Amino acid sequence: GAGVSQSPRYKVAKRGQDVALRCDPISGHVSLFWYQQALGQGPEFLTYFQNEAQLDKSGLPSDRFFAERPEGSVSTLKIQRTQKEDSAVYLCASSRASSGNTIYFGEGSWLTVV
Amino acid sequence: AQKITQTQPGMFVQEKEAVTLDCTYDTSDQSYGLFWYKQPSSGEMIFLIYQGSYDEQNATEGRYSLNFQKARKSANLVISASQLGDSAMYFCAMREVPLGGSYIPTFGRGTSLIVHP
Repeated sequence: GAGVSQSPRYKVAKRGQDVALRCDPISGHVSLFWYQQALGQGPEFLTYFQNEAQLDKSGLPSDRFFAERPEGSVSTLKIQRTQKEDSAVYLCASSRASSGNTIYFGEGSWLTVV
Repeated sequence: AQKITQTQPGMFVQEKEAVTLDCTYDTSDQSYGLFWYKQPSSGEMIFLIYQGSYDEQNATEGRYSLNFQKARKSANLVISASQLGDSAMYFCAMREVPLGGSYIPTFGRGTSLIVHP
């Protein structure tokens, strides 16, 4: 596609429910990033893939968060047993190479945990 | 320690005027990249401009220019001839090369810009 596509755009989950957020990066982009953005804050890094390899997951806040990119294209961020503090916008971004100068973001998945 | 500092939580500017959004950064790397993004209320992060640490000239993209002062570790965004549609959050970000080789952008907390008629 023309840009980074994320789904769902909006998700309301009951506390304790599992959620899966999908990211479809720009075709041919090697690098893929997930960020979490709380209301009124800047994006905070969660995890980074180069092709199918997850090279950095230091930003994942707990073991309830899990990300994968099995074929080096589409990525899924899974949050198990959601908590209210997980409410945020989850942004996916991609770039052409690990040294790519321009990183393109999707519109984000807005998660609200009630 | 904060790697990216944006000291202006909010800025106001009159339509057609120029505005400067401040950004300072902290790194010991020689090779790094600096970015500015715009985030309107819809939530999408829109890439505006990029400056490499070895670029000798300030980056420009249309009405956007980046005032890069390497010795001061400053990368301010200048928007000329502001338009009502420029009202949004603006984020400064930096991409370094840590030992692991991963290029992971770090963002500041953002500046809210309001353009009034």
